[in-house]
Amino acid sequence: AQSVTQLGSHVSVSEGALVLLRCNYSSSVPPYLFWYVQYPNQGLQLLLKYTTGATLVKGINGFEAEFKKSETSFHLTKPSAHMSDAAEYFCAVSGGKSDSWGKLQFGAGTQVVVTP
Amino acid sequence: DTGVSQDPRHKITKRGQNVTFRCDPISEHNRLYWYRQTLGQGPEFLTYFQNEAQLEKSRLLSDRFSAERPKGSFSTLEIQRTEQGDSAMYLCASSLGTAVSEAFFGQGTRLTVV
Repeated sequence: AQSVTQLGSHVSVSEGALVLLRCNYSSSVPPYLFWYVQYPNQGLQLLLKYTTGATLVKGINGFEAEFKKSETSFHLTKPSAHMSDAAEYFCAVSGGKSDSWGKLQFGAGTQVVVTP
Repeated sequence: DTGVSQDPRHKITKRGQNVTFRCDPISEHNRLYWYRQTLGQGPEFLTYFQNEAQLEKSRLLSDRFSAERPKGSFSTLEIQRTEQGDSAMYLCASSLGTAVSEAFFGQGTRLTVV
């Protein structure tokens, strides 16, 4: 069984400040981990993913995340927030078995507000 | 490649009516997924197809829900005898079905049951 916990349902950051969104997971198999962004009334867009290999993953729009197995975490960061980063962010996990590829277990989401 | 398309984008229906949603995946993608997202929550997995075969259904998918993917192309999700609790965003996604392939999401169909 897999699950995802996102700490903080709402985060407010100042423009130019660090964005840090926390995600912890549990998985009985080696996980594949994802961060998606959702703008109002839109579908989800992939920011970045970890499958195997390098634990520091860089994504689009300046975001990156680090897989820490010992902490079962996959926190998302961006050094400097832009107004356009205001959106909802979802962390997700899928299993490493073929029947689980692409089948995602999502966290509850973190709404990011960027203030001028 | 025009991405994943969902139709309609919005649907308002009266309780007890049947509704059907359509999803057109990216053409070369063999896996297709349906998710449901309620306000303030992350998407929840409903079901998925490998080509035309429905391989898994979540316990969330009651008997009133049925999904098909004839010929392994587009998919439909039907809800019979809708209830107010069915009000949600229904998201479709598709992928190549490999370990590292990304799931691409459509813009969703927002269902409101009144």
